[in-house]
Amino acid sequence: EDKVVQSPLSLVVHEGDTVTLNCSYEVTNFRSLLWYKQEKKAPTFLFMLTSSGIEKKSGRLSSILDKKELFSILNITATQTGDSAIYLCAGGNNDMRFGAGTRLTVKP
Amino acid sequence: NAGVMQNPRHLVRRRGQEARLRCSPMKGHSHVYWYRQLPEEGLKFMVYLQKENIIDESGMPKERFSAEFPKEGPSILRIQQVVRGDSAAYFCASSQIAEGEKLFFGSGTQLSVL
Repeated sequence: EDKVVQSPLSLVVHEGDTVTLNCSYEVTNFRSLLWYKQEKKAPTFLFMLTSSGIEKKSGRLSSILDKKELFSILNITATQTGDSAIYLCAGGNNDMRFGAGTRLTVKP
Repeated sequence: NAGVMQNPRHLVRRRGQEARLRCSPMKGHSHVYWYRQLPEEGLKFMVYLQKENIIDESGMPKERFSAEFPKEGPSILRIQQVVRGDSAAYFCASSQIAEGEKLFFGSGTQLSVL
């Protein structure tokens, strides 16, 4: 059975800290891994990763995929209170499987 | 360019009633996905549709749940004879065929079963 496991489930840090969120996957017919940020309601897209070892960056966020070890990490540097959210990863092809998410809380 | 539109935002039903959730994909998107999210849990895949076709419904409960994406109009997720356990947030996402599985999500429908 396909599964995506995220860790930690929750994380509390202070502003300015750097965090690393983990996502491991066992998905048949894997094509890509996606990261989303969920605040309030609709998840918003962060990254799509299809190739191993190529880091994607967007401001203070970056992510990388390891297709050999079947995992991805999402890094957030110099965290801000606005980064508080649930971060979801998903792996698959047309039927993406989501992990349970990591709830990140950034305290002032 | 409107995003993925879901309605209603909130839906309250009594046990045994039917719930209909609607999703209009982003303009130019031909693939629709439905997910369910229980409190404190991640998104669970339910069904993937293209126009007039169900591609993958492996995440759909076998009974009471159905989905369609007609040639004209929004995609509909239908839950018959709702039970309390159906209470959840239901998200719809869409993608362009060229983008593959880069999904754009709607704001969800919160279904509450009394």
